[in-house]
Amino acid sequence: EPEVTQTPSHQVTQMGQEVILRCVPISNHLYFYWYRQILGQKVEFLVSFYNNEISEKSEIFDDQFSVERPDGSNFTLKIRSTKLEDSAMYFCASSLLGGELFFGEGSRLTVL
Amino acid sequence: EDKVVQSPLSLVVHEGDTVTLNCSYEVTNFRSLLWYKQEKKAPTFLFMLTSSGIEKKSGRLSSILDKKELFSILNITATQTGDSAVYLCAVEAYRDDKIIFGKGTRLHILP
Repeated sequence: EPEVTQTPSHQVTQMGQEVILRCVPISNHLYFYWYRQILGQKVEFLVSFYNNEISEKSEIFDDQFSVERPDGSNFTLKIRSTKLEDSAMYFCASSLLGGELFFGEGSRLTVL
Repeated sequence: EDKVVQSPLSLVVHEGDTVTLNCSYEVTNFRSLLWYKQEKKAPTFLFMLTSSGIEKKSGRLSSILDKKELFSILNITATQTGDSAVYLCAVEAYRDDKIIFGKGTRLHILP
């Protein structure tokens, strides 16, 4: 069964460092998303990507964040200068037509 | 601002009980309401509802949408310990390419 894969599963970084989280969405899907979930809190929308550009982003997704689809398969989230409050589980998701999201297993980011 | 409110926030029942989880929403240009189950890590899809009054069913789980009253319920009958999870409700709007999640209902099934 096709699945969304994410790497790394866990990353520990120092405050101020750049982090890149990687995702391989399901191959025929058209919409790609990043969500985050701070421990014990709700799943929060960060950004959606369609047709090789950002289609929607939340207030959380400020200038420190960027997304890229550098080739036909990878979808990356970059955090330029990490802050303590960026510590969270970051979920990548993809969907064919919007609606039903298929989530990856998540990348846990710990900022020290 | 779009809003998804779930209740209760947590629920503890005994195996075999039936539970009803609630989700109310406020969203402009509503497109669909989705239910997900989150166990240890990633949410997994349960149902997508777009039309009022049509029940979606999968085994012991069922869900229905009321677009007039802006809510949905998720029913689980004959609960099992494996049903213990956080159940997330989410809504999607036509004008947006985003899906907004509620805070979830944490369900714990006692053996």
